Amino acid sequence: EPEVTQTPSHQVTQMGQEVILRCVPISNHLYFYWYRQILGQKVEFLVSFYNNEISEKSEIFDDQFSVERPDGSNFTLKIRSTKLEDSAMYFCASRMLQARPQHFGDGTRLSIL
Amino acid sequence: AQSVTQPDIHITVSEGASLELRCNYSYGATPYLFWYVQSPGQGLQLLLKYFSGDTLVQGIKGFEAEFKRSQSSFNLRKPSVHWSDAAEYFCAVEGGGADGLTFGKGTHLIIQP
Repeated sequence: EPEVTQTPSHQVTQMGQEVILRCVPISNHLYFYWYRQILGQKVEFLVSFYNNEISEKSEIFDDQFSVERPDGSNFTLKIRSTKLEDSAMYFCASRMLQARPQHFGDGTRLSIL
Repeated sequence: AQSVTQPDIHITVSEGASLELRCNYSYGATPYLFWYVQSPGQGLQLLLKYFSGDTLVQGIKGFEAEFKRSQSSFNLRKPSVHWSDAAEYFCAVEGGGADGLTFGKGTHLIIQP
């Protein structure tokens, strides 16, 4: 069964540094998402992406965040200047159409030191 | 804005016993409803979904859920739990034109031998 894959599984970064989290959505999916889960808390929506542009973003997704689909397969989340509170598990998800379930990757654990 | 409440943070069930995990949502119309399961260190796996139609939906691993509009609930059930069911369970809702999922805080399921 096709899967959403995320790399790396764990990223350790110094505060203030830029980080790029990578995702390969399921190949025929058209809608892409990023979520985050701070340790012990619920999963929170960050941003959705369709047709090469952001379709929706949450209050969490401020100017330090950006997303990109640089080629036909990858979907990336960039955090420009990381803060301690950015430490979390970041999940990528994709789906073929709206009114279909989102399929999640295994996540990238981001640790900011 | 929609919200999801999972009133039970932890639930302990004996292996072989039945299970019900509660989920209540707040939304004006009929939302799309989901249950996801997260094993330690893993991503979110879709258990089942409700979009419309039959209010009792069947999912993977022997789980089912019932949508009750009058109670704004979407409780997850399983007639006989297995030790491998120990995990974190998240209820999620989508609707109101919002593209991202809104998750509950999760219920941690512990299985006693």
